[in-house]
Amino acid sequence: QQQVKQSPQSLIVQKGGISIINCAYENTAFDYFPWYQQFPGKGPALLIAIRPDVSEKKEGRFTISFNKRAKQFSLHIMDSQPGDSATYFCAASGRSQGNLIFGKGTKLSVKP
Amino acid sequence: DAGVTQSPTHLIKTRGQQVTLRCSPISGHKSVSWYQQVLGQGPQFIFQYYEKEERGRGNFPDRFSARQFPNYSSELNVNALLLGDSALYLCASSRDSSYNEQFFGPGTRLTVL
Repeated sequence: QQQVKQSPQSLIVQKGGISIINCAYENTAFDYFPWYQQFPGKGPALLIAIRPDVSEKKEGRFTISFNKRAKQFSLHIMDSQPGDSATYFCAASGRSQGNLIFGKGTKLSVKP
Repeated sequence: DAGVTQSPTHLIKTRGQQVTLRCSPISGHKSVSWYQQVLGQGPQFIFQYYEKEERGRGNFPDRFSARQFPNYSSELNVNALLLGDSALYLCASSRDSSYNEQFFGPGTRLTVL
């Protein structure tokens, strides 16, 4: 049972463009939704996270949009740069659990 | 401040052997979680420990075990290794067991031949 579904599997964007990655969840008990960035051979790095009490959170070029009714959330990377090329994972967690449930990942390639 | 540290970086074992992986959390963090990440997939939860007690366990066989020490560092043990255990093993650190924000270490790459 896949509790967090992520799409697309891979994404190619031109430098300066907007990268959009989507995730959907099933468990309504989830109340914490982070995004992680992972470069080859490295551990995932926490990028940005949101809780359901807000619909959007922005940090620099990274924005999370959250739709509680649709049980969906997305990551927007503005002005995408070649250095953003990495694999991005969405995840979810609940207040009563400490573990994160991850999506399968999106491999982003930003072309110069 | 140092981030999460893990050792060793890489490890090669043969089927049937046993392995021990180590993790030191961020200073001040009391909870450690272990995840397995196979190539091309997202990390999968194995264990969470807080104050030396197991607080959560994922869907992994009993060949996997872990413990946490008084200094909050942790070890993950895997017995009777199978080829399918080949993966990147990640340790994540958080302030306590209910605090969602988790920070990952660089991982230990385990190859089972």
